[in-house]
Amino acid sequence: EVQLVESGGGQVKPGGSLRLSCAASGFSFSRYSVAWVRQAPGKGLEWVSSISSSSDFIYYADSVKGRFSISRDSAKNSLHLQMNSLRAEDTAMYFCARHTPIGYCSGITCPFDSWGQGTLVTVSS
Amino acid sequence: QSALTQPASVSGSPGQSITISCTGTSGDIGGYNSVSWYQQPPGKAPRLMIYDVSQRPSGVSNRFSASKSGNTASLTISGLQAEDEADYYCSSYTISSTWVFGGGTKLTVL
Repeated sequence: EVQLVESGGGQVKPGGSLRLSCAASGFSFSRYSVAWVRQAPGKGLEWVSSISSSSDFIYYADSVKGRFSISRDSAKNSLHLQMNSLRAEDTAMYFCARHTPIGYCSGITCPFDSWGQGTLVTVSS
Repeated sequence: QSALTQPASVSGSPGQSITISCTGTSGDIGGYNSVSWYQQPPGKAPRLMIYDVSQRPSGVSNRFSASKSGNTASLTISGLQAEDEADYYCSSYTISSTWVFGGGTKLTVL
């Protein structure tokens, strides 16, 4: 069974940093592109960042570019999101999601077929 | 990276059909067939319901169907059931090698 389990969320002051992690199991993590998607309280989904299976391709939403950094450790089946210079508008549930190669897609062009339950990040003074 | 446009809410009675629209631009929906739809019950993670505009993953009911015309995608749910009540999000890959989601549509089964 595919499982994605996020951790590392919490409360942090504006300008602070936080590092999120996602532990993957039940599939060959090294063969899949993965991503972070967030959801502010009572709001919709917002894609944050994606990283290809070999880490060759990394993309960010404009809203986090220059502040967030995505990385993966395929030896440990884990995905990370380093978040710096945090702002109140970064407050959200952060989901780890897997890009799955179904249909005609490849890599990060594929939809998200598996999601974690999320970890909550609150940026407040 | 503006969000795709969805109606905030739709409703229908059990057994009826509803359609949710999702409007983007030529840089996302109009330019790619990487359009997908997600169902999110309250307090839960999203679930993939449709990919590649109109394809259903294994395990998704055939009451869910979808299509695309130009810059607008649509999701139709037929034979509405109480269990369909949830938030629904469209999503598209974009010309900037990013993903964009719609604002979400709350489906109420009356």
